[in-house]
Amino acid sequence: KAGVTQTPRYLIKTRGQQVTLSCSPISGHRSVSWYQQTPGQGLQFLFEYFSETQRNKGNFPGRFSGRQFSNSRSEMNVSTLELGDSALYLCASYQAQGADTQYFGPGTRLTVL
Amino acid sequence: QKEVEQNSGPLSVPEGAIASLNCTYSDRGSQSFFWYRQYSGKSPELIMSIYSNGDKEDGRFTAQLNKASQYVSLLIRDSQPSDSATYLCAVGDDKIIFGKGTRLHILP
Repeated sequence: KAGVTQTPRYLIKTRGQQVTLSCSPISGHRSVSWYQQTPGQGLQFLFEYFSETQRNKGNFPGRFSGRQFSNSRSEMNVSTLELGDSALYLCASYQAQGADTQYFGPGTRLTVL
Repeated sequence: QKEVEQNSGPLSVPEGAIASLNCTYSDRGSQSFFWYRQYSGKSPELIMSIYSNGDKEDGRFTAQLNKASQYVSLLIRDSQPSDSATYLCAVGDDKIIFGKGTRLHILP
């Protein structure tokens, strides 16, 4: 069974631009969570989607948004990029709810210049 | 604000010894606790989950949970150089909160 895939793997943007990251969960998994990982703050929860509905949201500004499609694929968008948005963005998929069957993708490394 | 605290390390342990990693959490109502391992440049992988007070063993790994003290730990027996990684403690039932991780270095 294929794992979680994230595209692109690396991205360089400049301040003020916007970016869209994509996550394809493991086949059969209906839940997707997004995390931001930085050396200073560690792994921080962004949001969680289940069956195209946002189920939970972390403490990030409204510039961070996401959505999930009917095939469970998910996208997250960051508008008006800031230097502090440089981070590794990780997507995790699981079957329904709970982290016991949560599998992380390889991540997208975003650099904002 | 729910918090999960870990010592950042690095924790250096001789090969073959027991590595002990600790974590405290603030949300007394939490029911689900996890340990992830993250190698440098890689994404986290789940190695242990625990839901009840006491110990849970899986191979060389033992997770220990004490809800009264809001404390969860991970013991790695017979430590190997391949265990060198950052270990993330995670707590939560719907929204998972991660600690910042403890860097573990196994000395050959």
